[in-house]
Amino acid sequence: GNSVTQMEGPVTLSEEAFLTINCTYTATGYPSLFWYVQYPGEGLQLLLKATKADDKGSNKGFEATYRKETTSFHLEKGSVQVSYSAVYFCALSAISGSRLTFGEGTQLTVNP
Amino acid sequence: GAGVSQSPRYKVAKRGQDVALRCDPISGHVSLFWYQQALGQGPEFLTYFQNEAQLDKSGLPSDRFFAERPEGSVSTLKIQRTQQEDSAVYLCASGGRVQETQYFGPGTRLLVL
Repeated sequence: GNSVTQMEGPVTLSEEAFLTINCTYTATGYPSLFWYVQYPGEGLQLLLKATKADDKGSNKGFEATYRKETTSFHLEKGSVQVSYSAVYFCALSAISGSRLTFGEGTQLTVNP
Repeated sequence: GAGVSQSPRYKVAKRGQDVALRCDPISGHVSLFWYQQALGQGPEFLTYFQNEAQLDKSGLPSDRFFAERPEGSVSTLKIQRTQQEDSAVYLCASGGRVQETQYFGPGTRLLVL
């Protein structure tokens, strides 16, 4: 079946540090890949997505590249701020518009 | 415009009680999903509607769980004879017909005592 594996958290960084959160997946065919962010007390918000191999999803300085050869979709951000503290979820959709399969989430804390 | 809304935001139930959780999707959205998120875990798929048709209910954990969307808009997730293991956040998401993006509501946090 389909699955998503994220790097274990929590991750603690200082402001302006470089962020990487690893994500690998298992799926048949060519899934679409997503990163969602969940701020305390709020619902999941789509951060970025990529729908085919070698696509780079980007939004608000966050980036992730769909690597089919390594079945990965690692999230990167060049300089983090305190306001980025949240839980980040990697997810896949095996068929366009279908159910999402999520990883377990990575808690990020950014200290001033 | 308005996003996905869910009510109640918090629900405390005694074991054995029935509960009903409501989801108001974004207007015009065809697809509607329910997910269950246990503490410290990622959301797990429960069920999926396209308009009023329930096309996939393979994620419902038991026959105590029932979902409906009778007019293709508002959806209700009902849990009968709640158990402690039902304690979780229940998330609703809606999406347009051709887009892959699912827009999530804030969730209903259910605590079964």
